[in-house]
Amino acid sequence: GNSVTQMEGPVTLSEEAFLTINCTYTATGYPSLFWYVQYPGEGLQLLLKATKADDKGSNKGFEATYRKETTSFHLEKGSVQVSDSAVYFCALSPYGGATNKLIFGTGTLLAVQP
Amino acid sequence: KAGVTQTPRYLIKTRGQQVTLSCSPISGHRSVSWYQQTPGQGLQFLFEYFSETQRNKGNFPGRFSGRQFSNSRSEMNVSTLELGDSALYLCASSLGRDSPLHFGNGTRLTVT
Repeated sequence: GNSVTQMEGPVTLSEEAFLTINCTYTATGYPSLFWYVQYPGEGLQLLLKATKADDKGSNKGFEATYRKETTSFHLEKGSVQVSDSAVYFCALSPYGGATNKLIFGTGTLLAVQP
Repeated sequence: KAGVTQTPRYLIKTRGQQVTLSCSPISGHRSVSWYQQTPGQGLQFLFEYFSETQRNKGNFPGRFSGRQFSNSRSEMNVSTLELGDSALYLCASSLGRDSPLHFGNGTRLTVT
């Protein structure tokens, strides 16, 4: 079946540190991959996406590359800020399936300290 | 442009009761999806509606149902509430397939 595995949190970093949140997936075919972010008390916001192998999604300094050979979509940011503190979710949309039926990872809490 | 609006923000119900949650999508969006978020199970897909038709359904019991109106607004209903139904229920709208999902802030349901 389809599934997403992401690293356990919480991840605690100092401001301006480098961030990596690992995400790997299992899926048949060629899924689309997403990173969503959830700030306290809010719903999810799409951070970035990639729809085919080797695509790089980027937004607000965050990047992730769709690696089919390693079935991974790791999230990176070169210099985190306190305002990046949130829960980050990796998700996939199965190929040929209803795009709006996303399979989510368990989420990774990021805490950035000043 | 107004975002996805979910009402109410908070609900407290007793076991055995039923509840109706409401979602108003972004203007022009015809697809509405519902997700349940719990600490134990994470985010799980409930169902999706498009043009008043249920297009996809997750693995939830029949106590969970939904509908969509002609103006794309959607409601979900949970009957015979159980303690395990306590969760944040998120609604998301989109233009359709292959379009990004826009989530509301959710309705937090507590069942006592």
